[in-house]
Amino acid sequence: AQSVTQPDIHITVSEGASLELRCNYSYGATPYLFWYVQSPGQGLQLLLKYFSGDTLVQGIKGFEAEFKRSQSSFNLRKPSVHWSDAAEYFCAVGPKGVAAGNKLTFGGGTRVLVKP
Amino acid sequence: DTAVSQTPKYLVTQMGNDKSIKCEQNLGHDTMYWYKQDSKKFLKIMFSYNNKELIINETVPNRFSPKSPDKAHLNLHINSLELGDSAVYFCASSQDPGQGAYGYTFGSGTRLTVV
Repeated sequence: AQSVTQPDIHITVSEGASLELRCNYSYGATPYLFWYVQSPGQGLQLLLKYFSGDTLVQGIKGFEAEFKRSQSSFNLRKPSVHWSDAAEYFCAVGPKGVAAGNKLTFGGGTRVLVKP
Repeated sequence: DTAVSQTPKYLVTQMGNDKSIKCEQNLGHDTMYWYKQDSKKFLKIMFSYNNKELIINETVPNRFSPKSPDKAHLNLHINSLELGDSAVYFCASSQDPGQGAYGYTFGSGTRLTVV
């Protein structure tokens, strides 16, 4: 069965510092990979996704993520964090292809706190 | 225009009551989902509908009954509410069947509190 692990429940970072959020997945083959952000009281917004090709993907809000097949990881990074980046971040995996019955499986989330 | 809208945003109700949450998407997507987010922020799929047809039904108590009158709407009815049903319920949609090539578009959630 597919699973996603986000080892860090909370991360506190100073404004302007870099940020890296870890995501490890367990899957039979290379899945589709996603990062979502959830601001307080809001729904989830897609930051970026990886399907194939270049293993470094760029997303919105200055985020990027790197897929490492050998480590089954898809870590999210941002070079310089802004106070507005304080939120909950979710990594998700889903099977390749398009088929009814496919679904996204989410990690447990990482809460990011930004210090002034 | 809101892409995926859920109503109500907050719902406080007593144990044993029956309640419904409504979801509508104006994206023209074929597939819609209900996810439950518990107090620890863990997200778990409950149901998925593709073009009004139920395609995913996870191990959810049968007190939960989804209904999709058309592909733009997916409602969730909950009978005999229990304390453990307290959670945030998210509706989502995707362009293709399954999770699609573009991920999901989520609604802003309905926070259900059972007292």
